[in-house]
This record gives sequence, structure tokens and C-alpha cells, in this order.
Amino acid sequence: QKEVEQNSGPLSVPEGAIASLNCTYSDRVSQSFFWYRQYSGKSPELIMSIYSNGDKEDGRFTAQLNKASQYVSLLIRDSQPSDSATYLCALLILTGGGNKLTFGTGTQLKVEL
Amino acid sequence: GAVVSQHPSWVICKSGTSVKIECRSLDFQATTMFWYRQFPKQSLMLMATSNEGSKATYEQGVEKDKFLINHASLTLSTLTVTSAHPEDSSFYICSARVGGLADSKNIQYFGAGTRLSVL
Repeated sequence: QKEVEQNSGPLSVPEGAIASLNCTYSDRVSQSFFWYRQYSGKSPELIMSIYSNGDKEDGRFTAQLNKASQYVSLLIRDSQPSDSATYLCALLILTGGGNKLTFGTGTQLKVEL
Repeated sequence: GAVVSQHPSWVICKSGTSVKIECRSLDFQATTMFWYRQFPKQSLMLMATSNEGSKATYEQGVEKDKFLINHASLTLSTLTVTSAHPEDSSFYICSARVGGLADSKNIQYFGAGTRLSVL
């Protein structure tokens, strides 16, 4: 089982709709979770970090964390064409050498006009 | 957020040559930097953890003699791909962590990446 799993998509939503991106993970010890956005040919850009169960809102983005069910999600309200990108879920996994950021394969989001 | 500068952004080289990639933290000190590699339509794979003043820690399957990492200061880490071959062609991305290695809330910021093409 992969440590971080995401549906690769593409997920297509119309402009103005809510995009819902999901991620499940296997490591029960992880305490820190992140969503990164990656445009084609570019490096990842941090969108949200979340450490506690529940919702965390930042502008049009809401991250949701449920540690008991081991999933973390990202909602994007009022989706815009500029939101079209690959969204990477990541979590810090404790190893002998310290915490390491582990990524899912990403979900491609397409926001259509 | 913190700024991480990576240079060059794109390099083309002949097979057998070596290529050096620089990663700098511009507005903070980074005792730990990370080097990732990303192949098309795949996720980021951690290659190694670069520690200032000590040897890098390589992930399983990554050849330390081929991918030389030097973390000479708190703001600079370099990755040298030695004797590059076409299969080394990839997108290499560095990252610097704000906060300590064991800090569970620390954030990693990424450089812009280096696209390496080996002919």
C-alpha cells in the first residue's frame, strides 16, 4: 500500500464550482499534512498546511483533516481556470533521520470555462 | 513564504559530463535541504537530505557517488550529477525546511526546479 494515495484524475469542474480533492494515507503517526499546487513544468507551491482534526480555511481553500479515518481533503470554492493544476497531498512521516515529507502522485484538476 | 532560489532552471549536456545545480535559501538559514527528482507524470521522489556541515543522507536506490551533494553553508546546497546519462534526464527540485528536523510543524519551500536533459 502506498503511503499517500490520491486519485490521479483528471478532475474536471466548471468555473465557479467547488472542487473537492481527496487524499488517504497509511501512516498513523503523521501529525502534519500539506497541500501543494504544481503547475505543469513548475515546482510545487504550498497552498495549505493542517495539523489538527477539522477544517482550516484560507480564502477560497479549505483543508479538512480526519486522523481517525486517515484522510485529508482540499476544497476549492469558486474554482477559476487559473486553479487548473496538479494538487499534491503530502505528509511528514517520522523516520530515524527525522521527519520526511512524502508526496502522493497528485490529482490533476481542470477548471473549464 | 520563504524564498528558495535554484539555478540553473534548464540545462542540456552531453552524456558523460557533470552538471552542478545550486540551491539557495534567500531569506532564512536552512540547516537541512532536500533534493527531489520528478519524472513526467510522476510524483516527487526524495533523493537525499542535505545537512549543513555533514554528509548527505541518501534514499535507498540513489547512488551517492553519482549524485554528489555538498551543503557548504546554511544557505547553499549543491547537487552534482556526475557522468550524466540520458536516463538521468529529469526535473530536479530542491527544497529547504524552515524549522528544525524534528519540528512537526515545519514547512518546506521549494526552488523553481532544474530541468536536465542529457543528450
